[in-house]
Formats: sequence, C-alpha cells, structure tokens
Amino acid sequence: QKEVEQDPGPLSVPEGAIVSLNCTYSNSAFQYFMWYRQYSRKGPELLMYTYSSGNKEDGRFTAQVDKSSKYISLFIRDSQPSDSATYLCAMSGTNDYKLSFGAGTTVTVRA
Amino acid sequence: DADVTQTPRNRITKTGKRIMLECSQTKGHDRMYWYRQDPGLGLRLIYYSFDVKDINKGEISDGYSVSRQAQAKFSLSLESAIPNQTALYFCATSDSVQGRNQPQHFGDGTRLSIL
Repeated sequence: QKEVEQDPGPLSVPEGAIVSLNCTYSNSAFQYFMWYRQYSRKGPELLMYTYSSGNKEDGRFTAQVDKSSKYISLFIRDSQPSDSATYLCAMSGTNDYKLSFGAGTTVTVRA
Repeated sequence: DADVTQTPRNRITKTGKRIMLECSQTKGHDRMYWYRQDPGLGLRLIYYSFDVKDINKGEISDGYSVSRQAQAKFSLSLESAIPNQTALYFCATSDSVQGRNQPQHFGDGTRLSIL
C-alpha cells in the first residue's frame, strides 16, 4: 500500500463548477500538507501549504486537513479553463526533509 | 528568470551513455533535491543535499550520482544510462528553518529518453 493515495482521475468539469480533490495517507506523523499544481511540460508549482489540521483559504482555493481521518482535500471554486492541470498532494513530518507525494489527479475544466 | 533552472530541458540518448543533468537556483536556499516522475508513481526522491558538504541518498539512488558544486548548483549524473531511467527529472530547493519544515520549489524539469 502506498503511503499517500490519490485518485488519478481524470476529472472533467464545466467552467464555473467546484473542483474537489482529495488524498488519504497512512503515516500519522505527517504534519505539513501541500498541494502543487503542474501544467503540462512544467514543474510542480506550490499552491497551498498548511500545518496540522484545519482549513486554509487563498482566493478560489481552499485546503482542508483532517488528521483524525488522515484525509486532505483541495477545493477550487468558480473553476476556469486555466485551472486545467495535474494536482499533486504532498506531505511530511516535522523536521523531515522528505516529501511523500500522491500520484496526482488530472483535471480538465471545459469552457 | 526562473528561480530554479534545469538544463537541458530535453535529452535523448542511448543505453550505456553517461548523462549529466544540471540545476541552478537563485532562491538562496540551502537544500536541494533531485526527483524523478513516472506516470502513476508520482515523484520519487533520488538524492538530496542540505549543504555543499552534505549529500544523501533518497529512496531510488541506485544508478545515479550527484555533485553539489556550490550552494546554488546541484547536478545529477547517470553513469551508464539504461532504458528504465527514461523519465521526467526535477530539481527542487527549500529553505532551512529550524523547527519547521519548508515547502519545496521545483524547476521545470528535464525530459530524458534513453533508447
């Protein structure tokens, strides 16, 4: 079993819809949680960075962490065609250099 | 200009050849990393370096070596390339802040094909 599980999709939604992405994990030591966006032929770009449980909002993006369920989510409101990309979750423990990544979910927002 | 620059962006080579991928950064970060990305497997860590004199193996270091020439430069070598090393390779950097893990920032990658 992988340490971080992420549904690869693909996920296709109409413009303006809410995109919901999630990852589950098995390592209870994880404290830092990240979401990266990766466009085709580009490197992963940091979108959200959260510590421990709770919610964080940044514009149209909301990240949620539920450590009791070992489950993290990313919501994209009012989705745009420019949001079409692969979204990667990543996480690590305290003072731990190593990031554990999900395999990524490919999202297409249809105009 | 990009904060993390990787060269070359694309490379096609033959089995048995020695390949070097280079990474330079202007972010002033101490920590640098090399990953490979394969479909369905996500990103896997090859090597990481916390400073010029500190080099460490990641989870898939066999067949690879690295050199940290300066704080800003970290290169990855494939001594004798084999086809299953065909992948996307990414360099990443992060800051070092005691007591708090910092996010990593990635370059745009090198697409390597080994025939």
